[in-house]
Amino acid sequence: DVKVTQSSRYLVKRTGEKVFLECVQDMDHENMFWYRQDPGLGLRLIYFSYDVKMKEKGDIPEGYSVSREKKERFSLILESASTNQTSMYLCASSLHTGTGGLFFGSGTQLSVL
Amino acid sequence: AQSVTQPDIHITVSEGASLELRCNYSYGATPYLFWYVQSPGQGLQLLLKYFSGDTLVQGIKGFEAEFKRSQSSFNLRKPSVHWSDAAEYFCAPLFKWNFGNEKLTFGTGTRLTIIP
Repeated sequence: DVKVTQSSRYLVKRTGEKVFLECVQDMDHENMFWYRQDPGLGLRLIYFSYDVKMKEKGDIPEGYSVSREKKERFSLILESASTNQTSMYLCASSLHTGTGGLFFGSGTQLSVL
Repeated sequence: AQSVTQPDIHITVSEGASLELRCNYSYGATPYLFWYVQSPGQGLQLLLKYFSGDTLVQGIKGFEAEFKRSQSSFNLRKPSVHWSDAAEYFCAPLFKWNFGNEKLTFGTGTRLTIIP
């Protein structure tokens, strides 16, 4: 089975801190994604990457950046955390065609105080 | 514009009853279509998918979905729900966007509550 691992289940940070969310997948998938999930809004795509060192903006990239130095690892960075970035963050991966569907990690619940 | 709608925010059904969750999309062609389930405190798990061919597709956990082109719908069904089916369900069409890449778009989800 594909495994997508997110480094933290819960995080509490202060406003203005730099925050790193880490995601690792073990199935050699080309594509990796970061979503945030908020009640009533579903999942919204922040950034995605279809290859090492490649990145594309999703629907809501403002206030975020990403890094993909190795194929299996995709990091989401909040340069200066704000309270409106309190959310559940979900990482996912897929084969390059996308037709196999996404495989998700368990999520990181981030609270910014 | 490409969009997906799950009109039911919350549905409550009795254990053993049948279930249908609605999903409609707006797109100039037929997208690939997925349903995902999210149990409390978990990530999302793929239930089933439709690309082409037979419009009734079977998935895991006893779920099925029917694609209806004329209605731009892809409704999820289960003949008899179990208490463990209580979760949030997301419909997700795969639209093509620029550069030939595909983009998965999620509906806002339907929360399913099961009562004994």
